Amino acid sequence: GDSVTQMEGPVTLSEEAFLTINCTYTATGYPSLFWYVQYPGEGLQLLLKATKADDKGSNKGFEATYRKETTSFHLEKGSVQVSDSAVYFCALSDQSQAGTALIFGKGTTLSVSS
Amino acid sequence: KAGVTQTPRYLIKTRGQQVTLSCSPISGHRSVSWYQQTPGQGLQFLFEYFSETQRNKGNFPGRFSGRQFSNSRSEMNVSTLELGDSALYLCASSLGLAQGNEQFFGPGTRLTVL
Repeated sequence: GDSVTQMEGPVTLSEEAFLTINCTYTATGYPSLFWYVQYPGEGLQLLLKATKADDKGSNKGFEATYRKETTSFHLEKGSVQVSDSAVYFCALSDQSQAGTALIFGKGTTLSVSS
Repeated sequence: KAGVTQTPRYLIKTRGQQVTLSCSPISGHRSVSWYQQTPGQGLQFLFEYFSETQRNKGNFPGRFSGRQFSNSRSEMNVSTLELGDSALYLCASSLGLAQGNEQFFGPGTRLTVL
C-alpha cells in the first residue's frame, strides 16, 4: 500500500542554519503531497503542498519540490528561526483512493537554538 | 472564520467503557476526517465523512465508529475501550473530497484509558 518515509529526528540546528528534511513516498496512483507542521500542544497546520510532478510548494520560507522520478518531496529552508521548532510531517493523498485521506510519515522533530 | 473545534479537549476513561468525541468543522466545509495520533504508530487515518456518508475508512477495528450530521458536525465513538486506545484524536475538515483539498485540523481530544 501507499506509504511515506521521512528522516528520523530529532534534528537540532542553530538559528540561521540551512534545513533539509527528507521525505520519500510510495504510491500506486498520482498523489498530492503535503508538509504539515505541529507546534507543541496544537493540531496540525498545512505548511505547503504540491499536486503534480515538478510543482514547487512554498510558504514562510519553506520549500519542497514534487520529484516523481525520485518519489521525493524534501522540505528545505534557507535560514531557520527558533520559532520554527516543531514537528514536521510529510503526507500524501492518493487520487486512486476515495476522498482526501492522508497518509503521514512518522514526523521529524526540529529544535532550533539561538 | 472560526477553525475546527473539538470537544472535549481531554478525557479520562477506564477499560471497557465507551467514549464519544465531537468535531465541528469550519463553516462551509462538508468533509470531516478523523485521525489517531500515538507515539508508536504516528498519525493514522480512521475515517472520512461527506454529506452524512462514510466515504473512506482506515484499518481500525469495528469498535471505532463515526457519523456525520446534516450540519456537517461529526462524532466518533469508541466502544469497549482498551489501554491502546489512549491517543490524541484529531479531526480535520475540508471543502470536499477533491484530492488536493487542504485539510484543516482541530486541536485534538486527548484520550487517556486507565
